[in-house]
Amino acid sequence: AQTVTQSQPEMSVQEAETVTLSCTYDTSESDYYLFWYKQPPSRQMILVIRQEAYKQQNATENRFSVNFQKAAKSFSLKISDSQLGDAAMYFCAYRSRRYNQGGKLIFGQGTELSVKP
Amino acid sequence: DGGITQSPKYLFRKEGQNVTLSCEQNLNHDAMYWYRQDPGQGLRLIYYSQIVNDFQKGDIAEGYSVSREKKESFPLTVTSAQKNPTAFYLCASSARDRGIGTEAFFGQGTRLTVV
Repeated sequence: AQTVTQSQPEMSVQEAETVTLSCTYDTSESDYYLFWYKQPPSRQMILVIRQEAYKQQNATENRFSVNFQKAAKSFSLKISDSQLGDAAMYFCAYRSRRYNQGGKLIFGQGTELSVKP
Repeated sequence: DGGITQSPKYLFRKEGQNVTLSCEQNLNHDAMYWYRQDPGQGLRLIYYSQIVNDFQKGDIAEGYSVSREKKESFPLTVTSAQKNPTAFYLCASSARDRGIGTEAFFGQGTRLTVV
């Protein structure tokens, strides 16, 4: 069974600075997706960024980028130029590409990010 | 606008009662999911359905039941057998994976409290 671990329950960053959130996962599969979701106080889950495991290039979305290390099973999220609106709970998630897995997401425990003005 | 609608936003359950949480999507997605969120535990999968009239148990299905009679709808019933139902419940849907990294879209959640 796959597992996802986020070892940082809380992180803090100064506005305009850069912060990195860590995520490790365990799987015996070679083909899968990894995601970072953001959950602000409204509790609406918002997709931040996705990575396909077969792609070596790290995904980027504006101020958000990942460091995907497949052999180490590591998937960290870097937020550059942090803004007050980035304050939220961040979840790392794994999704198998096997059809019999149903596309279900396996989540880490979450990292609560606070942004100081 | 396309999306997922969960209702109600807040729900109170008395001991021994069954309650049903609604989830409707108009995204034409095949797959739908129910997750439970507790503080410090992330999201855990309760049930999922890949197609109408078919569903599978997730990691914490005990005390819950679902149905999938229509593509758009995936209601979750929290039965009296669920001993600790107080939690935040999230419904999600996604298109069938066609190799393009389909993401899951989430509803706004239902907060269930036992009184």
